[in-house]
Amino acid sequence: EEQLVESGGGLVQPGGSLRLSCVASGLTFSNYWMSWVRQTPGKGLEWVANIMQDGTEKYYVDSVNGRFTISRDNAKNSLYLQMHSLRVEDTAVYYCVRENPYYNKLDSMDVWGQGTTVTVFS
Amino acid sequence: DIQMTQSPSAMSASVGDRVTITCRASQGIRSYLAWFQQKPGKVPKRLIYAASSLQSGVPSRFSGSGSGTEFTLTISSLQPEDFATYYCLQHNSYPRTFGQGTKVEIK
Repeated sequence: EEQLVESGGGLVQPGGSLRLSCVASGLTFSNYWMSWVRQTPGKGLEWVANIMQDGTEKYYVDSVNGRFTISRDNAKNSLYLQMHSLRVEDTAVYYCVRENPYYNKLDSMDVWGQGTTVTVFS
Repeated sequence: DIQMTQSPSAMSASVGDRVTITCRASQGIRSYLAWFQQKPGKVPKRLIYAASSLQSGVPSRFSGSGSGTEFTLTISSLQPEDFATYYCLQHNSYPRTFGQGTKVEIK
């Protein structure tokens, strides 16, 4: 079974830092772009960042650019999101999501983790 | 950024109804469009990718169409388990953007 399992969420004060992790199993992790998507309580979905298969390309939504860093370790089948300078508005459930494989750009975001909750409180 | 506008934002429908949800992109996105279903407390589930390709295991009453800037998700005969919120997503350009969601409720 293809599975993504996130960890690392928690409570943090504004200005603090957290590092989210996602471990993949049952899938060829190194073949895929990977992303983080978040969902604020009672609200919709927001794509946060993604990273190319070999880690050489990364993209971010403007609201986190410069504060968050996405990375991956293909040897460990793991994806990370380092979050600094956290704000109250970063409070959300963060999902690890498999994007497209290198051979099919149209087939994207089919596998989602269960999510990890980040709460930034003052 | 490309804005994805879904309509309606919410709707009431009965079991057996045909339901159509529209997603409009502020710029052309070719066929880089996916549809997701989310039930309360659950993870989003992909239904459609590449605008019209049905995800494996998803019932055939779900279908998607469109390209460019206008897309539709159709449920041919609404079932009790289909009451949920539906989102579209464009992944043609950065940042990826989701629609605001369409909540389908029981009439």
